[in-house]
Amino acid sequence: EAQVTQNPRYLITVTGKKLTVTCSQNMNHEYMSWYRQDPGLGLRQIYYSMNVEVTDKGDVPEGYKVSRKEKRNFPLILESPSPNQTSLYFCASSSTIAGVKNEQYFGPGTRLTVT
Amino acid sequence: AQKVTQAQTEISVVEKEDVTLDCVYETRDTTYYLFWYKQPPSGELVFLIRRNSFDEQNEISGRYSWNFQKSTSSFNFTITASQVVDSAVYFCALSVIGTYKYIFGTGTRLKVLA
Repeated sequence: EAQVTQNPRYLITVTGKKLTVTCSQNMNHEYMSWYRQDPGLGLRQIYYSMNVEVTDKGDVPEGYKVSRKEKRNFPLILESPSPNQTSLYFCASSSTIAGVKNEQYFGPGTRLTVT
Repeated sequence: AQKVTQAQTEISVVEKEDVTLDCVYETRDTTYYLFWYKQPPSGELVFLIRRNSFDEQNEISGRYSWNFQKSTSSFNFTITASQVVDSAVYFCALSVIGTYKYIFGTGTRLKVLA
């Protein structure tokens, strides 16, 4: 089954304690991206990756890091989480062959609470 | 800079009514893609449609239809004969060709009452 998986699905942590949210896709997609969803603000793009070892900032990258060492994985790293990073996070992937932007497949979401 | 505006924060309709969700976008680029996604109460994001700027043809899929008008920079979504299962948050998104960024609107929460 084609899917994007995220772990953990729920996480409560404390300020300053480094954490990683994993994302994996099994569709051999070149493009992967992270979003955060906050009430009244919709979905905002944090980082994206066009392919292995190629990443770039989205609109709200502050406080986050990513890496793309393998095509299937795109972890989101919060080195020193703060309460304003409490949010619902989605990972997504899509195929972008020849520049055509196909639909993004989204993971189930990770609800993060930073106290 | 690009922007997507979904001015309707929340809409409530009674089952079987028709409803239109508005999406207005801003971009100086002439080549782009527009998308609609649905987020039901269960929380997952589901793709509904993709349209590129070269194709202004309207699309119909069952009870769903989309009206794309470049002249007004709008990509509106109509649900005909709404059903309770249509209750969800709907997002419109824009991505300029040649970039890898996606700009989402703030979403419209649709409540369909039985």
